[in-house]
Amino acid sequence: EDQVTQSPEALRLQEGESSSLNCSYTVSGLRGLFWYRQDPGKGPEFLFTLYSAGEEKEKERLKATLTKKESFLHITAPKPEDSATYLCAVSGAGSYQLTFGKGTKLSVIP
Amino acid sequence: EAGVTQSPTHLIKTRGQQATLRCSPISGHTSVYWYQQALGLGLQFLLWYDEGEERNRGNFPPRFSGRQFPNYSSELNVNALELEDSALYLCASSLHTPEYNSPLHFGNGTRLTVT
Repeated sequence: EDQVTQSPEALRLQEGESSSLNCSYTVSGLRGLFWYRQDPGKGPEFLFTLYSAGEEKEKERLKATLTKKESFLHITAPKPEDSATYLCAVSGAGSYQLTFGKGTKLSVIP
Repeated sequence: EAGVTQSPTHLIKTRGQQATLRCSPISGHTSVYWYQQALGLGLQFLLWYDEGEERNRGNFPPRFSGRQFPNYSSELNVNALELEDSALYLCASSLHTPEYNSPLHFGNGTRLTVT
């Protein structure tokens, strides 16, 4: 059974204070690891897909990296508008749906 | 391009009643997924439909059911509602089936409250 654990559950940062969110996973044959952003009252918004260890993807202040056991979402010089819950999900070779972690709620204080 | 649309946005029902939730996928997407997001539990997979057929279901009782119509829109039905069914129900669509790793694109959900 695929499993995803995200840490920390919540993170408060000052504007401009860089940090990282962690996603640890166990999966039988990783097909892809996905990062989403979810704002309150909205559905998750797709950010990145990572396919293999060593891969990196960037979008504005966000950079996602992948190893064989975990993924990190690095946030550089965050702004208040980056405040959201960030979700990690995996797709395994033996399953037909994404398995999601519970998310990290990020708050960026001006 | 219009995104995934869900209706209604909010639904209030009484325990024991039935709820019907609707979803229209992005144009050209044939796969539709339903997820439940209950407080503190994260997104839990409910159902996957592709080309009008149910392809997979998650660990939910049979009173959760649905269908996909010829235009690829979908409906989720929840019978004999229980208090713990209160949650945000999210619909997502994708361009291809899971082995092609297409990302899911989510709607904004239906907030179901059971009293």
